[in-house]
Amino acid sequence: DTAVSQTPKYLVTQMGNDKSIKCEQNLGHDTMYWYKQDSKKFLKIMFSYNNKELIINETVPNRFSPKSPDKAHLNLHINSLELGDSAVYFCASRPLAGEGDTQYFGPGTRLTVL
Amino acid sequence: DAKTTQPPSMDCAEGRAANLPCNHSTISGNEYVYWYRQIHSQGPQYIIHGLKNNETNEMASLIITEDRKSSTLILPHATLRDTAVYYCIVRFYNQGGKLIFGQGTELSVKP
Repeated sequence: DTAVSQTPKYLVTQMGNDKSIKCEQNLGHDTMYWYKQDSKKFLKIMFSYNNKELIINETVPNRFSPKSPDKAHLNLHINSLELGDSAVYFCASRPLAGEGDTQYFGPGTRLTVL
Repeated sequence: DAKTTQPPSMDCAEGRAANLPCNHSTISGNEYVYWYRQIHSQGPQYIIHGLKNNETNEMASLIITEDRKSSTLILPHATLRDTAVYYCIVRFYNQGGKLIFGQGTELSVKP
């Protein structure tokens, strides 16, 4: 009965590879987010989708491409991985505006680029 | 979004109250104060939020000063499992957008 789930939990890959991280929420929420937490532990927003539509893109390199096949899923595809992409990536979701403002986070995906 | 200032770290004895301060002197009239925490290696977890009145839920209490320039999160009986980084965030309610995380306060609850 996990609310926000992410796969995989750990991802180790070589520079230059393309990889995807998947996120699913079973809360019926309309808005989903991707956050990045770097080695210094700073958490920063990357993207936000509302009902499959992109509403926030925080000047993330275009090697990162979020995809939302439906409002319960927000996947993150990363092309040509670089060393600096190593981080923990968190997915989050939030109910429709007017139904609460709490963001619910997934367990995170630790990406290591070698 | 207004900026917040928190002490980088605090200690608390198990079973005692943990009082975590936050300064937000540039908060605007309609901005709320939110608290989240991140237990090691886990995703952030919502704790509580408030506008001007004090708030309490099953996890914590939030005390906001009358001028709203600062607040205190209170964990009434801290346990070892409350060891985490606590983030104070100010934002408009239902803004629909991002949470802007600062460096937070690393709370260590000791036996």
